[in-house]
Amino acid sequence: AQSVTQLGSHVSVSEGALVLLRCNYSSSVPPYLFWYVQYPNQGLQLLLKYTSAATLVKGINGFEAEFKKSETSFHLTKPSAHMSDAAEYFCAVSKKLGAQKLVFGQGTRLTINP
Amino acid sequence: DAGVIQSPRHEVTEMGQEVTLRCKPISGHDYLFWYRQTMMRGLELLIYFNNNVPIDDSGMPEDRFSAKMPNASFSTLKIQPSEPRDSAVYFCASRSTGDTGELFFGEGSRLTVL
Repeated sequence: AQSVTQLGSHVSVSEGALVLLRCNYSSSVPPYLFWYVQYPNQGLQLLLKYTSAATLVKGINGFEAEFKKSETSFHLTKPSAHMSDAAEYFCAVSKKLGAQKLVFGQGTRLTINP
Repeated sequence: DAGVIQSPRHEVTEMGQEVTLRCKPISGHDYLFWYRQTMMRGLELLIYFNNNVPIDDSGMPEDRFSAKMPNASFSTLKIQPSEPRDSAVYFCASRSTGDTGELFFGEGSRLTVL
């Protein structure tokens, strides 16, 4: 079965600092991996996805993530945090592209300090 | 497109009452998912449909919960009778078979059972 573990339920960084949100996955088959963002009182929206092409994936709002098979990781980064990045971020995994079930991590709440 | 539309956005009810949550997926999407989000358990997949047919309801907590999809543009999630532990945000999401795994979420229905 697929699963993801997000390390750190809360992360706080200063505006302009590097953002690093950690995600490790467990999968018996090659996974497809996603990062979603949830702003307050809204649904989730896709930030980026890994679909077995390039291991470095670029998403919206300056975020990117690198798939590292040897570390079973898919960490999300952004070089310079902006106040508008404050939100909850979810890592998710599925077995194959278009698979029905997307399994989500517990989420990481990102706070940006002025 | 208007996106996934859920109603009501907020519902406050008393224990024992019936609750019905509604969802209109994005036109043309053939998969529909119901998720529940709580602080303690995070995002849980309750049930999903493909072409209006329930495919996997293993996440439905108990018999008090039921979901239907009478046509491609409408789905309901019903809780009868409701209990305080059902308090959560319920999300509906949809996607198309041809999509590369991306789920499109509604803004959620926040349920409070007193």
